Amino acid sequence: QKEVEQDPGPLSVPEGAIVSLNCTYSNSAFQYFMWYRQYSRKGPELLMYTYSSGNKEDGRFTAQVDKSSKYISLFIRDSQPSDSATYLCAMSEDGGSNYKLTFGKGTLLTVNP
Amino acid sequence: GAVVSQHPSRVICKSGTSVKIECRSLDFQATTMFWYRQFPKQSLMLMATSNEGSKATYEQGVEKDKFLINHASLTLSTLTVTSAHPEDSSFYICRAWGGTEAFFGQGTRLTVV
Repeated sequence: QKEVEQDPGPLSVPEGAIVSLNCTYSNSAFQYFMWYRQYSRKGPELLMYTYSSGNKEDGRFTAQVDKSSKYISLFIRDSQPSDSATYLCAMSEDGGSNYKLTFGKGTLLTVNP
Repeated sequence: GAVVSQHPSRVICKSGTSVKIECRSLDFQATTMFWYRQFPKQSLMLMATSNEGSKATYEQGVEKDKFLINHASLTLSTLTVTSAHPEDSSFYICRAWGGTEAFFGQGTRLTVV
């Protein structure tokens, strides 16, 4: 079993839809959880960063972490065509940005106008 | 946000030749540089971690004599793929840590023919 599992999609939704992206993991030592957005031909950019279990909201984006189930989610409300990108989940045991990250494969999202 | 400039973005080389990839942090000092590789439909996989002025630490299974990493200054790190072979064709991307946050470069698509 891979450490981090993420459905690669592709996922296609109409503009305005609520998008749900998910990752599961097997390493119970993971404590820091991140979501990155990667546009075509660009490097990933950090979208959301959470520590341990709980929810975090930032505008149209909500990140959820359920450590008991080893399951994390990213919700995008009122999705826009500009949200079309690949979304990668990432997690680490310690230190967040300065520590080794383990990534999911990424989910390709297309929001259709 | 901070910028990490990675060059080249795309390179095609002949089998047996060497290719150098550069990552520069343009507006911060990168004390740690992470180098990742991503094969098609796979996750970003950490290859090595380098701290400025020190030898890089390679992940298990990554040949240090084949993938030479130099991090001689706080703004520049290079990855040289020596004696490249078609199986080295991949997407290589750096991630620079500047003390509070980490930022990705744009990535390099290497094709060895």
